[in-house]
Amino acid sequence: EDQVTQSPEALRLQEGESSSLNCSYTVSGLRGLFWYRQDPGKGPEFLFTLYSAGEEKEKERLKATLTKKESFLHITAPKPEDSATYLCAVRTSNSGYALNFGKGTSLLVTP
Amino acid sequence: DAGVTQSPTHLIKTRGQHVTLRCSPISGHKSVSWYQQVLGQGPQFIFQYYEKEERGRGNFPDRFSARQFPNYSSELNVNALLLGDSALYLCASSPRGDGSNQPQHFGDGTRLSIL
Repeated sequence: EDQVTQSPEALRLQEGESSSLNCSYTVSGLRGLFWYRQDPGKGPEFLFTLYSAGEEKEKERLKATLTKKESFLHITAPKPEDSATYLCAVRTSNSGYALNFGKGTSLLVTP
Repeated sequence: DAGVTQSPTHLIKTRGQHVTLRCSPISGHKSVSWYQQVLGQGPQFIFQYYEKEERGRGNFPDRFSARQFPNYSSELNVNALLLGDSALYLCASSPRGDGSNQPQHFGDGTRLSIL
């Protein structure tokens, strides 16, 4: 059975304090790993897709990386507006088109 | 450009009732997927429709059903509501749903509360 585990469950950072969120996965035949951001009361907002180990994607203060067992979302010099829940999801040969999500990491950035 | 739109935004029902949730995909998108998100959890896949055909079904009981219309909009129906059906129901669309890895784009969901 495919499994996606995100850590930590919650993270509190001061503005400017860089850190990383982790998404580890145990799946059969990874077809894509997706990062989303979700604000309270809103739907997930797409950030990145990664397909193969060694791939990296960047957007503003965010950088996503992928290995054969996990993905990291690096946040450089975060700002309060980066506060949100970050969700990791995978598509696999078992899941068809469905996304299998982790529980998310709740990030709070304080001024 | 309009994103994925869902209606209603909030809904309160009682146990045993039936509910219909609606979704309009991004213009040009032909695939719609439905997810259930319980508080504190990630979204869980319910259905995927592409070109008006069901292409995937998650581990949900037969009380849950869906359909896609010729204009690619979609409805999710839930019968005999239970307290455990209280959740945020999310709709996601993508241009295709035939195995390509284009990302799914989500609406802001319908918050369903069962009393």
